Amino acid sequence: KNEVEQSPQNLTAQEGEFITINCSYSVGISALHWLQQHPGGGIVSLFMLSSGKKKHGRLIATINIQEKHSSLHITASHPRDSAVYICAVRSLYGANSKLTFGKGITLSVRP
Amino acid sequence: EAGVTQFPSHSVIEKGQTVTLRCDPISGHDNLYWYRRVMGKEIKFLLHFVKESKQDESGMPNNRFLAERTGGTYSTLKVQPAELEDSGVYFCASSQGWADTQYFGPGTRLTVL
Repeated sequence: KNEVEQSPQNLTAQEGEFITINCSYSVGISALHWLQQHPGGGIVSLFMLSSGKKKHGRLIATINIQEKHSSLHITASHPRDSAVYICAVRSLYGANSKLTFGKGITLSVRP
Repeated sequence: EAGVTQFPSHSVIEKGQTVTLRCDPISGHDNLYWYRRVMGKEIKFLLHFVKESKQDESGMPNNRFLAERTGGTYSTLKVQPAELEDSGVYFCASSQGWADTQYFGPGTRLTVL
């Protein structure tokens, strides 16, 4: 079992829909990252969270440290949101900054 | 400000050959990371430099992989000799402090035939 699990594995939505992507992890963490990769593109860091909630434009990321769970919400989805969304965590222990990644969710938003 | 750059973007080599990947981090970023995604799997950590020193190389698969960061600027990752299972996308990332956001390069797609 991977230390970082994402669900659902693949997701198709209609333009305008509210989308939620989930991430669960099994280790103690100091931070959680949400990353985005468009087809043929590089990886872009969307958020880095250690508690609470962050918002940027139509994207909202939340984290519940006690439940070891994070969600990425996309409001008013658009076809340009189609991408792979990856959750990655940084371990709590020591000055260890390597990231452990989930497999990523492929999101397709249809016009 | 230039982002993280990687060279080459694609490399196709035969089993047994040598390949060297290069990463140029964001200027001023002391922390540099190498990651790899093998087809169908999640991205995995390879190693972490702080300036020119290897902070953590626990993810390096075996001694066919050699990473260097002479002078603490750009880094190279050499695979010698390459095997079929080394195929994948190699990502580099950099951050200013070890706890800061990591910025990723576009990746190098390595195909070993």
